[in-house]
Amino acid sequence: EIVLTQSPGTLSLSPGERATLSCRASQSVSSTYLAWYQHKPGQAPRLLMYSTSSRATGIPDRFSGSGSGTDFTLTISRLEPEDFAVYYCQQYVVTPETFGQGTKVEI
Amino acid sequence: EVQLLESGGGLVQPGGSLRLSCVVSGITFKNYAMTWVRQAPGKGLEWLSTIGGGGCCASYPDSVKGRFTISRDNSKNTLYLQMNSLRAEDTAVYYCAKRITTNGPSTLDRWGQGTLVTVSS
Repeated sequence: EIVLTQSPGTLSLSPGERATLSCRASQSVSSTYLAWYQHKPGQAPRLLMYSTSSRATGIPDRFSGSGSGTDFTLTISRLEPEDFAVYYCQQYVVTPETFGQGTKVEI
Repeated sequence: EVQLLESGGGLVQPGGSLRLSCVVSGITFKNYAMTWVRQAPGKGLEWLSTIGGGGCCASYPDSVKGRFTISRDNSKNTLYLQMNSLRAEDTAVYYCAKRITTNGPSTLDRWGQGTLVTVSS
């Protein structure tokens, strides 16, 4: 099983600041099969990025993804009030598919 | 607009069974693989199962293998999750999610709002 470890667990920032979220895999993951999701309480999770760096439909360009091998990063260039949420990385190259434990971005 | 609506959650005793449903609209359902994911209270997301567009090739993690069964009825645009021998640790919000391909590994581009399953005596 590929274990994904996200850091930090919580990121305390203000609107307008830059957020950098890390996702480290226990073994190499093809960048084609790494995604990021945003999840707010009581809502459906929302796909942000797929194949490491491709933005999903409707996702603003302040969100960007990068990385390869075992280290991946989600960057939010300037935080908007609606960006405060929990973010998960996911690998879907092998089963069991796995998610990281999440990074909470809070004000 | 793509919509996924889960139902069937509720309170069940340990050892009991429950069947979740997910009705999908706004797409040609048979063209997409579907997945169940859950979130236990205070925990992260856990992948449970995926089934191909034609009903092929279900897979499960060890935590639910032999107890949970995924299926679909393409004539009803509905995905199911049959859950047997339920345990307290199965308490979670259960989400259905659509994949972007018919088969094979792909991302989850649409999710439902979830249905709560509580396993308790």
